[in-house]
Amino acid sequence: GEQVEQLPSILRVQERSSASINCTYENSASNYFPWYKQEPGENPKLIIDIRSNMERKQIQGLIVLLDKKAKRFSLHITDTQPADSAMYFCAASTGGNNKLTFGQGTVLSVIP
Amino acid sequence: EAAVTQSPRNKVTVTGGNVTLSCRQTNSHNYMYWYRQDTGHGLRLIHYSYGAGNLQIGDVPDGYKATRTTQEDFFLLLELASPSQTSLYFCASSDGGASTEVFFGKGTRLTVV
Repeated sequence: GEQVEQLPSILRVQERSSASINCTYENSASNYFPWYKQEPGENPKLIIDIRSNMERKQIQGLIVLLDKKAKRFSLHITDTQPADSAMYFCAASTGGNNKLTFGQGTVLSVIP
Repeated sequence: EAAVTQSPRNKVTVTGGNVTLSCRQTNSHNYMYWYRQDTGHGLRLIHYSYGAGNLQIGDVPDGYKATRTTQEDFFLLLELASPSQTSLYFCASSDGGASTEVFFGKGTRLTVV
């Protein structure tokens, strides 16, 4: 199977600073790494993902880095805003069945 | 946006009770999943299916059954509910092919008293 560890569990940052969340995985066959944002009372929604043939991906203020040798990937949110406050989950998958293994989640609070 | 609809949204049952959670997707996706979300554990996969009549065991299947009656409908069954099954349950769907995004429903909060 797969196990994904996510840290930190709680993250508080000042508005306009950066926030970083780190995940590690065990299965070297994992090839798809999505990040989900979940606002209170809502369902998780995909915000960015990266595949194993890439090392870096950026969508506006979101950056994902993937280090396959270290089995580590991370999400960096630049210029944080209060609207970024939410729960964030990393996940890993080995392929076609999209069976995602999630990390434990990070509660991000952006302080105005 | 892809549509995954869960019902009921909230449910309270007694220990030993029988509960069925329903999920319907209108995305023509092949794959459907049931996850539970608990603080400190993230989302954990209970069962999943890649088509009508198919069922695959997830990572935390004990105490749960599931059935995929059509491509659209996936049900999660708790036949002898226990307090440890108090949780937030999410259904999700994915086409498992060219697009790997997994879309989640709004969730069902189940309380077993």
